[in-house]
Amino acid sequence: DIVLTQSPDSLAVSLGERATINCKSSQSVFYSSNNKSSLAWYQQKPGQPPKLLIYWASTRESGVPDRFSGSVSGTNFTLTISSLQAEDVAVYYCQHYYSHSGLTFGGGTKVEIK
Amino acid sequence: QVQLVQSGAEVKKPGSSVRVSCKASGGTFSTFAINWVRQAPGQGLEWMGGIIPIFGTAIYAQKFQGRVTITADESTNTSNMELYSLKSEDTAVYYCAKEGAHSGHYWGHGTLVTVSS
Repeated sequence: DIVLTQSPDSLAVSLGERATINCKSSQSVFYSSNNKSSLAWYQQKPGQPPKLLIYWASTRESGVPDRFSGSVSGTNFTLTISSLQAEDVAVYYCQHYYSHSGLTFGGGTKVEIK
Repeated sequence: QVQLVQSGAEVKKPGSSVRVSCKASGGTFSTFAINWVRQAPGQGLEWMGGIIPIFGTAIYAQKFQGRVTITADESTNTSNMELYSLKSEDTAVYYCAKEGAHSGHYWGHGTLVTVSS
């Protein structure tokens, strides 16, 4: 089974500064059938369901501010918030989906304002 | 725009069962998965199982095998999740999440299930 390891568990960033969250997969999640990595990022604010930010590792969901970006290098995935805003305080999760094995989540990263 | 409407909060006794429903609108229902995920208070996200409605057969996380049943009804665009033999540790918010065309998921608002004697 694929394991997603997120780091750090939490981070505090000043307003306007960059926040970087990492997610390492224990196996490749790259599918040659469509040349894409099946890795998504979600934002969860207290009392709300997770909200899709990024899919296919680097494609921004419609309506998501462009300060959010995703990147991949092999089995290492990164979510970057280029200029942290107050409304970005949340827990962020990476997630892999495969129809034969279901959903796998990282442990989550809590982002706060320094 | 995909929307998922879940049934309301439940309070259950230990040993009983709970059924949570999830009605989808927007998007294609039959050919994309509906997954069920729970989140205990202050904890992360835990996948329970999922179903692709057109195939009708659910897959389950090993932890929940034999204790959960997930179904989907294409005629009503609804998925149900039933969890049996409830324990206090099953107290959580239960979410349905629908796969998009890109394997990212859209989430329902969540259903709080409280298990207490």
